[in-house]
Parts: sequence; C-alpha cells; structure tokens
Amino acid sequence: DTAVSQTPKYLVTQMGNDKSIKCEQNLGHDTMYWYKQDSKKFLKIMFSYNNKELIINETVPNRFSPKSPDKAHLNLHINSLELGDSAVYFCASSQEGYTGELFFGEGSRLTVL
Amino acid sequence: AQSVTQLDSHVSVSEGTPVLLRCNYSSSYSPSLFWYVQHPNKGLQLLLKYTSAATLVKGINGFEAEFKKSETSFHLTKPSAHMSDAAEYFCVVSGTGRRALTFGSGTRLQVQP
Repeated sequence: DTAVSQTPKYLVTQMGNDKSIKCEQNLGHDTMYWYKQDSKKFLKIMFSYNNKELIINETVPNRFSPKSPDKAHLNLHINSLELGDSAVYFCASSQEGYTGELFFGEGSRLTVL
Repeated sequence: AQSVTQLDSHVSVSEGTPVLLRCNYSSSYSPSLFWYVQHPNKGLQLLLKYTSAATLVKGINGFEAEFKKSETSFHLTKPSAHMSDAAEYFCVVSGTGRRALTFGSGTRLQVQP
C-alpha cells in the first residue's frame, strides 16, 4: 500500500493547456504539501494545507490552484501552462505539523513543450 | 528566518570507504534538523532527524549525524559506503509558526565500485 500516491507520474503537454495532478495519502495525516523540484534538484514549498485549510501559500503564480476536498487529498491544478512550469512536483504529508517527518509521493514529472 | 547550506554539490567515494556530507545551518532559535535521501526517480525519504535531544543522531541504513551548535553544522556520515547509497541527499531545517521546512540544495553522492 503506497502511503502517499500521486497521479499522473509523467505529464507532457503543450504551452497554454490546463492540467491537474492528484495526491492522496492513507496515513491519516492532518497536513499536506506541494513542493516543486526544479532541474537543479532544488526543492521549494508551494502550498500547505492543514485539515483542508490553506496554511502556506508561497509566491506562486495565480495559475496554480490547490484544492483539498478532504484531509486525505490535495490536488494541484495549473492553468495556462508555461515552459517554466516544467519540473517535478512532489506531494507530501506529515502528522506533526511543520517540524515533523514528511512522507513524500514519488513525484509527478511535468514537461511543457 | 532559517537557511541551510550544503557545502558540496557532488561527493564521490569508493565502496567501503567513509562518507561525509556537509551541512551548515542558520537559525535564530533552536531548530529541528533533518537529512532526507532521494533515489533516482523516487520521492524523498527521511534518513534521520535532530530535535534537541541527543546531539549524535542515528538514522537508517547506518547513517548518523552530529549536531554541533558552536559550528552550526549537521554533517551526515557513514563508516562504509555501499553502492545502494548512491543518491541525492538533502539537509533540511525547520521553520517556526506556519513556515515549512527549508531544504538545502542537495548533495549528489556517487559510489564507485
């Protein structure tokens, strides 16, 4: 049983399209995150939700919109995709809030052509 | 604000020799510190964490790290490298309040046969 699962694992799309990445965790954690990893492996927090409430919203373009239908799911929708959005997006969850262990999904590699 | 600097972007060792991955941190309070490992095309996995208990922390797969407040360092070591240790390693420092973790830029460990 995968603890944090993301779909799709790979996504190739054209500029200007809209796409979504889904994330689900079966660990019973209260907090979920989206991280972006660029081509140099640098990881940056994008969003954090605690019990469906948006907690962290870093300087991310409005084209990115997270949605948490319940505390086990955190989806990421991206409008009007740009070349610079190409990256690996990781979903993660934690129980101890902001200082506890993060459990990561395997990532979703987005390529914008 | 907190920050973390990984002093080497790339470390290469021979199988069976010691591993040292260096990390310095900056924080205005007593932080929690973590090391995560990322194998190719995988999500990140926690290796070990320091949360103001013992300064020498033991983690999985024979890794350990020592918290040195006077040097603001949290270096990761392993006595004997194994081929399966080849991966990207991230040093991470915790935030306060609603801030998330801050990741270092990563160190790629290569293990030669």
